[in-house]
Amino acid sequence: QLALTQSPSASASLGASVKLTCTLSSGHTSYVIAWHQQQPEKGPRYLMKLNSDGSHSKGDGIPDRFSGSSSGAERYLTISSLQSEDEADYYCQTWGTGIHVFGGGTKLTVL
Amino acid sequence: EVQLLESGGGLVQPGGSLRLSCAASGFTFSSYAMSWVRQAPGKGLEWVSAFSGSGGYTYYADSVKGRFTISRDNSKNTLYLQMNSLRAADTAVYYCAKEVAVASSSNFDYWGQGTLVTVSS
Repeated sequence: QLALTQSPSASASLGASVKLTCTLSSGHTSYVIAWHQQQPEKGPRYLMKLNSDGSHSKGDGIPDRFSGSSSGAERYLTISSLQSEDEADYYCQTWGTGIHVFGGGTKLTVL
Repeated sequence: EVQLLESGGGLVQPGGSLRLSCAASGFTFSSYAMSWVRQAPGKGLEWVSAFSGSGGYTYYADSVKGRFTISRDNSKNTLYLQMNSLRAADTAVYYCAKEVAVASSSNFDYWGQGTLVTVSS
């Protein structure tokens, strides 16, 4: 069954970098995913689409501080030079024909 | 500029009905699949239903199949979600989301701000 796994929480200091992980279920390790950010009390915002080879394409206005990479079933979102506004929930998403699946989300705290 | 504006949320009793709308602008609405995604209080995102940009294909999560109906009016650039037999577990903020392709087989690239549906007696 197509599924995505994320750690519930992560934290990093202001100005530092953090790498969030999204793991694809067995049998689906080549799937493309997308990353979305949800700041408190706001709707989600699309960050990027991330391919299995690590290539990625970002959404409109997404800063260069956000980047993606891949390794096997793992899909990563790296945020560098952390700012206070990066404190948010981050969701990965994947899809098949007529079905969409989200990971449980990672709550990022900027210390 | 792409904009998605949801409306129609509110308080409804268990077993009741509600129709949500999503008014779209800033893109050729008929060329893209659209979805509804919900978020229960304090929980993560859950995909609910999708409608392809052409061909009239509709898809539903098992949790709403047989109770919810998605539709779209391309002449009005509007997506709808008719929700019947509502349950407490349907309480959530409902978001409208645009896909990047005409078929419902791609990522979302734009989201609305959401409309709150509360099912309670």
